[in-house]
Amino acid sequence: EVQLLESGGGLIQPGGSLRLACSASGFPFSSYALHWVRQAPGKGLEWVSAIIGSGGSTYYPDPLKGRFTISRDNSKKTVYLQMHSLRAEDTAVYYCAKGRGYFNDGFDIWGQGTMVTVSS
Amino acid sequence: NFMLTQPHSVSASPGKTVTISCTGSGGTIGSDSVQWFQQRPGSAPTTVIYEDDQRPSGVPDRFSGSIDTSSNSASLTISGLKAEDEADYYCQSYDRVNVIFGGGTKLTVL
Repeated sequence: EVQLLESGGGLIQPGGSLRLACSASGFPFSSYALHWVRQAPGKGLEWVSAIIGSGGSTYYPDPLKGRFTISRDNSKKTVYLQMHSLRAEDTAVYYCAKGRGYFNDGFDIWGQGTMVTVSS
Repeated sequence: NFMLTQPHSVSASPGKTVTISCTGSGGTIGSDSVQWFQQRPGSAPTTVIYEDDQRPSGVPDRFSGSIDTSSNSASLTISGLKAEDEADYYCQSYDRVNVIFGGGTKLTVL
């Protein structure tokens, strides 16, 4: 069974840093792109970042470039999201989602999410 | 910039058919694949349609997707509505190297 399990969320003060992790099982991890998607309370889905199977290419929306960094360790079947200079507007549930292949082949499996709260 | 616009809400009675639209602006919706996701209250999203009109295994054939290039829009159609279909639905596509989501549509089963 394909599974994604996010961890690392919690309460963090504005300006702080946090690293999320997404541990995968049930598929050949290095063959698939992985994405992070977030959802602020009561709001819609917002794409955060993506990384291809080899880790050789990463993608971010312009507003998050420079603050967020995605990486992966294929030996550990884990993808990470390092977040810096966190702001109140970064408060959201962060989901890990498996791509169907390359970056733009769509998603198939989603994790259950991890909550990040940025507040003093 | 490419944007996807969905109606805020739709509703229909059990057993009926409902269609949720996803209209592209600032680009052509058919140039990249469109996906649809279902999100029930308190749960993570799940994929119900990928590559415009493909259903993942386990998704009932009551769910179908289509593209209308003349109106630059995609549609998700759910037939034989059931109470369990009540959820938020999101369309998604791509703008070069960006992943774009529609704002979501709340489906209410009356």
